[in-house]
Amino acid sequence: IAGITQAPTSQILAAGRRMTLRCTQDMRHNAMYWYRQDLGLGLRLIHYSNTAGTTGKGEVPDGYSVSRANTDDFPLTLASAVPSQTSVYFCASSDSSGNTGELFFGEGSRLTVL
Amino acid sequence: GQNIDQPTEMTATEGAIVQINCTYQTSGFNGLFWYQQHAGEAPTFLSYNVLDGLEEKGRFSSFLSRSKGYSYLLLKELQMKDSASYLCAVLDSNYQLIWGAGTKLIIKP
Repeated sequence: IAGITQAPTSQILAAGRRMTLRCTQDMRHNAMYWYRQDLGLGLRLIHYSNTAGTTGKGEVPDGYSVSRANTDDFPLTLASAVPSQTSVYFCASSDSSGNTGELFFGEGSRLTVL
Repeated sequence: GQNIDQPTEMTATEGAIVQINCTYQTSGFNGLFWYQQHAGEAPTFLSYNVLDGLEEKGRFSSFLSRSKGYSYLLLKELQMKDSASYLCAVLDSNYQLIWGAGTKLIIKP
């Protein structure tokens, strides 16, 4: 089934550790996004990529980095995790950059930083 | 600043109709989205409005008034499976999506 796959689905991590959340899509979408979702807040954009080879900062980029080596993969890295990064992380893609298209979301990665 | 307001929680009865409102103040406007998110799952697309008026799609309809900075999602013939959070999001002048915190809809038998 076509879509977006995220891994891991859940992870408990010690503060200070490095962590990479993986995201792969097989829809050949140009644009990909990483969001975090926290209780009582709307989805907040961390980083995005309009096409392979390019990335941009969203609303809350500090402490996170991304890469887009090819169309399908868009990993999110926490270089040194902190408790405030405890959240549910969603990867999403769309078939048009500039956000004019519908977003397709992965199932989410629940990260707990202790 | 940019702001999307929607009620935190609503309760409705199975078989009834419910209207979920969304008001926005953003720097520019390039469209408004509604997404549905069941607990523990990913958001899924429901509707997109860029022009004023009502868009109907089965039991769900979405309305937009750009002059009032206002939208609503109308759900008819409510079913238990409609229990979910409903997220309103606006595309601003920079084509960035601004998300509301979501409205949790509880359906009672």
